[in-house]
Amino acid sequence: EIVVTQSPGTLSLSPGERATLSCRASQSLSGDDLAWYQQKPGQAPRLLIYATSSRATGIPDRFSGSGSGTDFTLTISRLEPEDFAVYYCQQYASSPFGQGTRLEIK
Amino acid sequence: QITLKESGPALVKPTQTLTLTCTFSGFSIKTSGVGVGWVRQPPGKALEWLALIYWNDDDRYKPSLKSRLTITADASKNQVVLNMANVDPVDTGTYYCAHIPDFWSGYYSVWGQGIMVTVSS
Repeated sequence: EIVVTQSPGTLSLSPGERATLSCRASQSLSGDDLAWYQQKPGQAPRLLIYATSSRATGIPDRFSGSGSGTDFTLTISRLEPEDFAVYYCQQYASSPFGQGTRLEIK
Repeated sequence: QITLKESGPALVKPTQTLTLTCTFSGFSIKTSGVGVGWVRQPPGKALEWLALIYWNDDDRYKPSLKSRLTITADASKNQVVLNMANVDPVDTGTYYCAHIPDFWSGYYSVWGQGIMVTVSS
């Protein structure tokens, strides 16, 4: 079974700073099926990025995704107060999620 | 507009079978490429993918839970049902269903609000 590892576990930053979140899979898959989700306390996850770098409807362009093979990155160019949340990655619909990165206000 | 909503019991006893229903609108489970999946989240923990079913009745399960899970779709009712047999307190958590718009891309575009299920005697 594929294992997905996200790093760091917790990221402490201030509004206006740049955030870089990493997602690594234990094996490479063909295609670019990686998705990123954002989850705020008490809410369902929300799709941010699909197909590695495509933003979902309504997602601001400060969110961007990149990577290929086994290594992927979610970048938030300038953090807004509403961006502090937990972020999960998943390679495709029937694969495990990463354990999440908690983005907290420094 | 696509919406999904989970329903089922809030409390289940150990060893019982948990039946969760996902009722959706805004799409047909029989449209080529479309699917619905189930994801759960124990309190304070990460998301865990459980199962999914596609428009062609192709179903997939988390390997370690495959013996306990059954997913079915009823296109006439716009519902997907997940059965989990022999539940244990470790199965406590929030269960989400979510829409897969495209089999070939494989992501969850819209999520239900989730239903909290507690397994306890």
